[in-house]
Amino acid sequence: GESVGLHLPTLSVQEGDNSIINCAYSNSASDYFIWYKQESGKGPQFIIDIRSNMDKRQGQRVTVLLNKTVKHLSLQIAATQPGDSAVYFCAENKLKAAGNKLTFGGGTRVLVKP
Amino acid sequence: NAGVTQTPKFQVLKTGQSMTLQCAQDMNHNSMYWYRQDPGMGLRLIYYSASEGTTDKGEVPNGYNVSRLNKREFSLRLESAAPSQTSVYFCASTAGQGANNEQFFGPGTRLTVL
Repeated sequence: GESVGLHLPTLSVQEGDNSIINCAYSNSASDYFIWYKQESGKGPQFIIDIRSNMDKRQGQRVTVLLNKTVKHLSLQIAATQPGDSAVYFCAENKLKAAGNKLTFGGGTRVLVKP
Repeated sequence: NAGVTQTPKFQVLKTGQSMTLQCAQDMNHNSMYWYRQDPGMGLRLIYYSASEGTTDKGEVPNGYNVSRLNKREFSLRLESAAPSQTSVYFCASTAGQGANNEQFFGPGTRLTVL
């Protein structure tokens, strides 16, 4: 099985509750942020993104909040389901920088309890 | 569209052996990336190719080489494998500068070096 995430911070959530995953980013010049979900044995999968000219963006059951003052990003998952169990990564980028490189955070494991 | 594909899915090498990890994307993306993911850590960039014909070092390039064979394909070579290179390797691609920088990931190659 997948060994990624053995030492990651873990958030245990009751099925049906809301989840909040936090991320502190490092570069004040970053202007584009992404949340990825990684299920066991798979590659990261895009969830939602936000540009620095916004402080909130909503998707289906997910909301991303951006606080540029304290360089903080959060992902809220509404009505958490068993299929939401995964490792979640935030990533930051400067849109006009050469190479479009993303810098990834360390990740948070979400475990959904039935 | 298959998206991003990687071969092989699994590989076991002995110290000192060489191998090439293959990656291809069918989304006509300009930029491609190689990451490694170790237990308890996020993704770290090894090398990237911002466009066909260019390659640049990422955060952890030592012990690796890359080739951007054409717009679709980006390979990663280990010339003399070491146990420290035991990891899961992900390839990713993105449309390129000026567009949203969402990176699409392949399923990964799990490499063990004995």
